[in-house]
Amino acid sequence: GNSVTQMEGPVTLSEEAFLTINCTYTATGYPSLFWYVQYPGEGLQLLLKATKADDKGSNKGFEATYRKETTSFHLEKGSVQVSDSAVYFCALSEDPGAGSYQLTFGKGTKLSVIP
Amino acid sequence: DTEVTQTPKHLVMGMTNKKSLKCEQHMGHRAMYWYKQKAKKPPELMFVYSYEKLSINESVPSRFSPECPNSSLLNLHLHALQPEDSALYLCASSPDRIHTQYFGPGTRLTVL
Repeated sequence: GNSVTQMEGPVTLSEEAFLTINCTYTATGYPSLFWYVQYPGEGLQLLLKATKADDKGSNKGFEATYRKETTSFHLEKGSVQVSDSAVYFCALSEDPGAGSYQLTFGKGTKLSVIP
Repeated sequence: DTEVTQTPKHLVMGMTNKKSLKCEQHMGHRAMYWYKQKAKKPPELMFVYSYEKLSINESVPSRFSPECPNSSLLNLHLHALQPEDSALYLCASSPDRIHTQYFGPGTRLTVL
């Protein structure tokens, strides 16, 4: 079955530091890949996505590239801010053969950015 | 506009109460979802509606009863819940079952 593995948190960085959150996946076919962000006390927000190999998703300074050869979709940001403190979920979407694309989530990585 | 709204934001209920959660979207999406999220865990899929018909029920106990009255509205009726049902309940929608899901802010449910 499908699975998503992302680095265990929590991750604590100083403001303006470089961020990488690793995400690797296992899928039988050609999934779409997503990063969702959850701020404290809120629902999930779509941060970025990529639907095929070598696609780069980007939003709000965050980037991730769909790497089929390494089955990875690592999230990066060049300079984090305190407002980026949140839980980040990597996810994939693929039809398991039943005609229904379901999201498979990683366990989430909590990021704390300190001034 | 990718807004999904949920009401109420918070709900406290006893184990004998009956309550309902409401989810609404006006993006013309034809698939809607209910998820349950426990603290420090990813969301778990409960139900999927596609074109107003229930297409997936992930073995959810019958004390949770979903309803999709129209293409914009999704309800989750709650009855005789247990304290372990306390969680954040998230609604999501997508243009159809193969496209990106957009989530609402959630309802924080506490069962006493």
